[in-house]
Amino acid sequence: QTALTQPASVSGSPGQSITISCTGTSSDIGAYDYVSWYQQHPGKAPKLIIYQVSDRPSGLSNRFSGSKSGNTASLTISGLQAEDEADYYCSSYSSSTTHVFGTGTRVSVL
Amino acid sequence: QVQLQESGPGLVKPSETLSLTCTVSGGSISSLYWTWIRQPPGKGLEWIGYVYSSGGTSYNPSLKSRVTISVDTSNSQFSLSLSSVTAADTAVYYCARDNTRGFDFWGQGTLVSVSS
Repeated sequence: QTALTQPASVSGSPGQSITISCTGTSSDIGAYDYVSWYQQHPGKAPKLIIYQVSDRPSGLSNRFSGSKSGNTASLTISGLQAEDEADYYCSSYSSSTTHVFGTGTRVSVL
Repeated sequence: QVQLQESGPGLVKPSETLSLTCTVSGGSISSLYWTWIRQPPGKGLEWIGYVYSSGGTSYNPSLKSRVTISVDTSNSQFSLSLSSVTAADTAVYYCARDNTRGFDFWGQGTLVSVSS
C-alpha cells in the first residue's frame, strides 16, 4: 500500500490562504470522487472537514474548501486563523486497498 | 450524537494478539461501516480495515494475514484482533464510523504498546 503524497509542512500568516496538495494515482484519487480531509490537533482524534472531494459537514466553517484535478486533490484554508494550526490528512477510496491516507501536512500559522 | 469508545489492554507482548473493542452509543450500528485506523507515535494515519453491520469485512492488504474485525450488533460493539504483534504495531488505535462519504465519528483513541 502506498500512501498518498502530501507536503510535510505548509505555513501562512493570519488572514492568508494556503493550499495543501494530495497526490495519488489513477487507482485512487483519479478513479473516485471519494476524497476526504481530516484535521488533527495534537493529542486529539482526527476530525472530518471535507468529504466527497468538496463537501463540508454541517456546521463546518466555509473557510475550508476542497477540489480535485486528475490524480491530485487539494484543500484550501482561507482567512487562516491560529486555531487552524494542526496536522491535515487526505484520504481516498482505492481500488487496491479500499482506503488510503495521505502522508500528512503540518500547518503552521506564523 | 454518535459516540465511540475504544477499550482494551494498553500493553501487549511481542508475538501475542492485540485485542480491542469499540462501543458505539448515541446511534445505530446498523447499515454502516465500522473502521479501525491506527497512528504510530509521531507518524501518519493507517487504515486497518472495516466491518459492515451485517458482518462483511475488508482489510488493508499489508495487514490482512494478521487482522480480524468483527461486529456484535446486539451490544453495539465491534472488535479488532491483530495477531503476532511486533514493536512496529505500537500505535494509537482509533475506531471510527465510515458513512461511505468519510470517517465522520471517531473514538478518542487508545495507545497500545508492544513490549516485553
